[in-house]
Parts: sequence; structure tokens; C-alpha cells
Amino acid sequence: NAGVTQTPKFRILKIGQSMTLQCTQDMNHNYMYWYRQDPGMGLKLIYYSVGAGITDKGEVPNGYNVSRSTTEDFPLRLELAAPSQTSVYFCASNRGEVEQFFGPGTRLTVL
Amino acid sequence: AQSVAQPEDQVNVAEGNPLTVKCTYSVSGNPYLFWYVQYPNRGLQFLLKYITGDNLVKGSYGFEAEFNKSQTSFHLKKPSALVSDSALYFCAVRDGEAGTALIFGKGTTLSVSS
Repeated sequence: NAGVTQTPKFRILKIGQSMTLQCTQDMNHNYMYWYRQDPGMGLKLIYYSVGAGITDKGEVPNGYNVSRSTTEDFPLRLELAAPSQTSVYFCASNRGEVEQFFGPGTRLTVL
Repeated sequence: AQSVAQPEDQVNVAEGNPLTVKCTYSVSGNPYLFWYVQYPNRGLQFLLKYITGDNLVKGSYGFEAEFNKSQTSFHLKKPSALVSDSALYFCAVRDGEAGTALIFGKGTTLSVSS
């Protein structure tokens, strides 16, 4: 199993550009999550999904959108990039009660 | 609302000495508590969890954590630190309002000197 994979690993965007961060898991997990990590702030939940076709907002959803058309994929969309979205983004998945498995992260810089 | 606090930004310990990384929590109901470790430029790796049962939980790489309900604490411990344990450690609690997502503390950097 590859676990949770994320692409790209690094990206630099200009203000106002858009992009999609990809996340795929091969563990047949029904729950998936997007977090952002800022220095000294821990991880904050952006969006989560409890299964294909079901998504919901987390603590910091503004400026982001998600979709979950399959069990495996949970892409995160940034429509109008802003400097405040400079961060490291982590995707995670699990079966619910048990621990979450994290991807390697995407480091995004918005200039 | 659920919350987690890690009162120390950094913990320094000499190799071979015991280490403790502190975590306190605030939840309504029974807590589901987790510890994760992050090495530089890597994702988070699961260390251990407390759901129910024995208050002393054993996890990966020789780490353990003690759940203390009266003090609302879940401190991470290891009897003998290794230089390779140097990393960023996160305590987390399940977010009861967002499915099974986690609420993370700010993290504690552990530095083990040789």
C-alpha cells in the first residue's frame, strides 16, 4: 500500500491564481481530511469527508473548496490564492475511531 | 469546545535521560487522545492513542503516555531518550463536532543532545 499520497510536493502561486491539491489513499478509508499547518500553530482542519459525496467544513474553510466523488480521492481547490494561504497542507484518512494516516504534505507559497 | 494545550514550545533533554512532553485537554464527554510525531519536512506519524482502558498507554519507538482524568492530562514519556527522538510532537483530541477529525495542540519541539 502506498498509503496517503499528495501532489504536488511544492508549489509557488501568484496572488489570484487557482490550483488543486491532490490527495489519494489506497486503504479504502471512508474518512478523509484536509489540514493546514502554520508555524507554531499546530494543524487546523479545513474540510473533511465521511464518505464519497459527503463533505463538510472544518475550522478554517474560507478560500477553499473540496469534492469527494470517489472513496480514494479528496482534492482541495484554491480558487483565488492569497498570501494568507501560504502554508503546508496535509491530507489524512482513517476508518473513524482509529488513528489518522497522513500524507507527506504540500508546501504552498503565495506571492 | 474541545481543546488541547501543550505548555512547552521546546523540551531539551540529554541522551539516555527520561523525557516528558506535556499535554492537557478540555473535552465534553470521554476524551479520545492521540500523540503524533513529525520529523523535518515529513508528514505526521502516529505514536499512540487513548480511547478507553488502562491509563498507561504504550506506543511506537518505546514511547508511552499516561492518561490522568483528574488532571485532564495526557503526558508523553520515554524512559531513555535517543538523539533520533528529536522532532516535533503533537498532542491531539478528537473533535466531537467535526466527525472524527482531530484538534491539535501547537506542538512541542523535542531536542535530545548527545
